[in-house]
Amino acid sequence: GENVEQHPSTLSVQEGDSAVIKCTYSDSASNYFPWYKQELGKRPQLIIDIRSNVGEKKDQRIAVTLNKTAKHFSLHITETQPEDSAVYFCAASRSNTGKLIFGQGTTLQVKP
Amino acid sequence: NAGVTQTPKFQVLKTGQSMTLQCAQDMNHEYMSWYRQDPGMGLRLIHYSVGAGITDQGEVPNGYNVSRSTTEDFPLRLLSAAPSQTSVYFCATSDYSNEQFFGPGTRLTVL
Repeated sequence: GENVEQHPSTLSVQEGDSAVIKCTYSDSASNYFPWYKQELGKRPQLIIDIRSNVGEKKDQRIAVTLNKTAKHFSLHITETQPEDSAVYFCAASRSNTGKLIFGQGTTLQVKP
Repeated sequence: NAGVTQTPKFQVLKTGQSMTLQCAQDMNHEYMSWYRQDPGMGLRLIHYSVGAGITDQGEVPNGYNVSRSTTEDFPLRLLSAAPSQTSVYFCATSDYSNEQFFGPGTRLTVL
């Protein structure tokens, strides 16, 4: 079945450092890869996404890369700030299915 | 616009009781989904729907029923609650872009 593996499960960085979270997916037909940020007690919020016709996408301090051959995608956060502390989820899906398969989540702690 | 709404926010059930979690959206999205979130396990798909009258099973459908009689509503029914169903439940909607918008969640405890 469809599966998404996410690593690491926890990540602690110093403020100003970079953070990288990695995901692999099993369904080769997946073509949409979003990343969500979830703060304690809140709903997941989309922070960036990438589609399979693009290898990299950037939005200010956040970037996502996709390697379709390896079925691997990553989230990069540069110049981390304490407010980046949260749980981050990757997900994968096929177009027009209305469903996402999520990774297990990464708890990011940014120390001031 | 309210976006995606869920009721109730919190619920405590006894083992064996049944209940319905409500989800409604005013975004005119065709796709709706239900996820459960447990510590260390991310969000797991329970059931989803690609339009009114059409539903399908996700990763963890056992013990749950859904129906989609209108575009706006997608209720999730627990037939006979079990302690293993203690979780936070999120409803989500999306259009054809697959970008999902989540409701605020329902925190369910089964004793």
